[in-house]
Amino acid sequence: QVTLRESGPALVKPTQTLTLTCTFSGFSLSTSGMCVSWFRQPPGKALEWLARIDWDDDKYYSTSLKTRLTISKDTSKNQVVLTMTNMDPVDTATYYCARIRVWDFDYWGQGTLVTVSS
Amino acid sequence: QTVVTQEPSLTVSPGGTVTLTCASSTGAVTSGYYPNWFQQKPGQAPRALIYSTSNKHSWTPARFSGSLLGGKAALTLSGVQPEDEADYYCVLFYGGVQVFGGGTKLTVL
Repeated sequence: QVTLRESGPALVKPTQTLTLTCTFSGFSLSTSGMCVSWFRQPPGKALEWLARIDWDDDKYYSTSLKTRLTISKDTSKNQVVLTMTNMDPVDTATYYCARIRVWDFDYWGQGTLVTVSS
Repeated sequence: QTVVTQEPSLTVSPGGTVTLTCASSTGAVTSGYYPNWFQQKPGQAPRALIYSTSNKHSWTPARFSGSLLGGKAALTLSGVQPEDEADYYCVLFYGGVQVFGGGTKLTVL
């Protein structure tokens, strides 16, 4: 059974760095073809892809946010970590992680709401 | 910047058929963009419906189907049920980069 769970702070202050962790089970990120992506969804708005990390440690970032994002994995802990620097109130959103098998999405986490406010 | 476009909203009657589309600002959508489709209901996480253009997950109801239509990716719902009222998103792959459409709000009325 594949599960993913996002964790991190519910509230961050402007200019701070956000660190989110996706903890998963039911698969290994060292298996060929396995990938994990991060997404976000501001309240009432559309989904936005943020970053992806692959089994071979290839990494991809949203063009508009790549200067602020870093994605990494700890295969032994079954975790993927996303950091986003210089947080702003417009970054308030529910942040999700999801598993991708090369090109195919299947399982998503339930999401974690992050509010950026002083 | 690449833009993926979906219809903002569509309305369908129960039992009817509706097609949602997903277009790319770079040109025609082909299977090489590996279109994926998701359903999202209020307060819930997205749920994957279709991958690689037309493949269904084990949990995808048979009334959902994916295809390429007129240079776009398409999601067709046949025999729409009231519980299909939701937001639907497509995502296209541009190499390792993924771009979501703005979503279609489907109303069943």
